[in-house]
Amino acid sequence: NAGVTQTPKFQVLKTGQSMTLQCAQDMNHNSMYWYRQDPGMGLRLIYYSASEGTTDKGEVPNGYNVSRLNKREFSLRLESAAPSQTSVYFCASSEFGADVTFFGQGTRLTVV
Amino acid sequence: QKEVEQNSGPLSVPEGAIASLNCTYSDRGSQSFFWYRQYSGKSPELIMSIYSNGDKEDGRFTAQLNKASQYVSLLIRDSQPSDSATYLCAVNLGSNYQLIWGAGTKLIIKP
Repeated sequence: NAGVTQTPKFQVLKTGQSMTLQCAQDMNHNSMYWYRQDPGMGLRLIYYSASEGTTDKGEVPNGYNVSRLNKREFSLRLESAAPSQTSVYFCASSEFGADVTFFGQGTRLTVV
Repeated sequence: QKEVEQNSGPLSVPEGAIASLNCTYSDRGSQSFFWYRQYSGKSPELIMSIYSNGDKEDGRFTAQLNKASQYVSLLIRDSQPSDSATYLCAVNLGSNYQLIWGAGTKLIIKP
C-alpha cells in the first residue's frame, strides 16, 4: 500500500520556467491538499480539493494552479516559477475533510 | 495572534524523562486536534488525534485536550533518542476542509 506518492522528489528550476508536481493516492480518499513548508513557518495550504471535481484556494494560492484529474490524482502547476516559490511541497490526502491526513514524501523545489 | 501557536524550541529532554509539548489555539468551534511528528527531511506522520476533553493514551504518548483553556498537549514518557524530531500541532478550527498548523516544536532527546 503506497499511500500518497508525489513526484519528483527534487527539482531545480530557473526563474520563469514552468513545471507540474504530480500526486496520487491509493487510499480512496475524497480530499486532497497541496502544502508548502518553509523554515519557521510550518505548513501552509496552497490549494485543496474537498472531493473529486472541486478545488479551492488555501492560504497561499498566488502563482499556483491545480487540477483534480480524478479521485486519485491531484496536480500542482507553477506557470512561471519565482525564487519565492523555493520551498518543500507536500501533497496530502484525507478520507473526507479536515481530519486525519496522510502526506506524500515531499518535493524539494529550488528556483534560481 | 496566530491561530495555532507552538513554542519553536528546541526543547531538550534527557533520555528516559517525560517530554511535554504544548499547543494553544484560537477558539472557533474547534472540533479535532492532531499531533504529527516530522523527522528532518521527511514528511509529517500522525502520532495522535483527540476529539474530546481529557486524556488519550497510546503507548508512550498521551494527548491532553482542554477546550476551556484552549490548549492541547502531548506527553512522551520514557523519551528515546529516536523521539528527536519536530512535533506539529494541527487543529480543525471549525472548517470542514482545512486544518490549521502550528509551526512546530523541535524536540531533542539527549542520551
